Amino acid sequence: DAGVIQSPRHEVTEMGQEVTLRCKPISGHDYLFWYRQTMMRGLELLIYFNNNVPIDDSGMPEDRFSAKMPNASFSTLKIQPSEPRDSAVYFCASSGDRSMYEQFFGPGTRLTVL
Amino acid sequence: AQSVTQPDIHITVSEGASLELRCNYSYGATPYLFWYVQSPGQGLQLLLKYLSGDTLVQGIKGFEAEFKRSQSSFNLRKPSVHWSDAAEYFCAVAGNTGKLIFGQGTTLQVKP
Repeated sequence: DAGVIQSPRHEVTEMGQEVTLRCKPISGHDYLFWYRQTMMRGLELLIYFNNNVPIDDSGMPEDRFSAKMPNASFSTLKIQPSEPRDSAVYFCASSGDRSMYEQFFGPGTRLTVL
Repeated sequence: AQSVTQPDIHITVSEGASLELRCNYSYGATPYLFWYVQSPGQGLQLLLKYLSGDTLVQGIKGFEAEFKRSQSSFNLRKPSVHWSDAAEYFCAVAGNTGKLIFGQGTTLQVKP
């Protein structure tokens, strides 16, 4: 298996632009998680899905952030408009039905908003 | 509220020496506990987990951890560290919400 795939690996954009991060979970996994990692706040859960349905989005910082999972093999995290304080590494992770806690992480997308 | 504290931000050990990384958690009931490792530029990889049963759990890469309820701790250990173990290590706790709460991480540096 290729593992969790994220694209792009690096993204540099200007303040006010729309940013879309993409994730392909491990085939057969039915949980998908989006995390954000910063030096100041560490690793934070933004939102997670079960069977393509958002279960908990309480970690989404504000309305500028949105996430979708149109099918079992694809999810997006969108920031519109982006701000410099959104600069971070964004991780996608997936897990199977046996244990949602055993999460497999992608390599992350490093986002820089200028 | 659930929380995880990793008291050591940075640790340096010599190659071949033993290692112990500390983790304390706050949770009202019996927690599920995890250790993840993050190599530079990579995502997190699960090292080991405690869900129930034996309080000493074995993981990958020669790591082990012991759950001590009386101390609210879940320390990670390795008897002999290799240079390739240099990375950042995260302790995490999960409760009945299903969400993982991560500590701030401990960066391990290995001296040759």
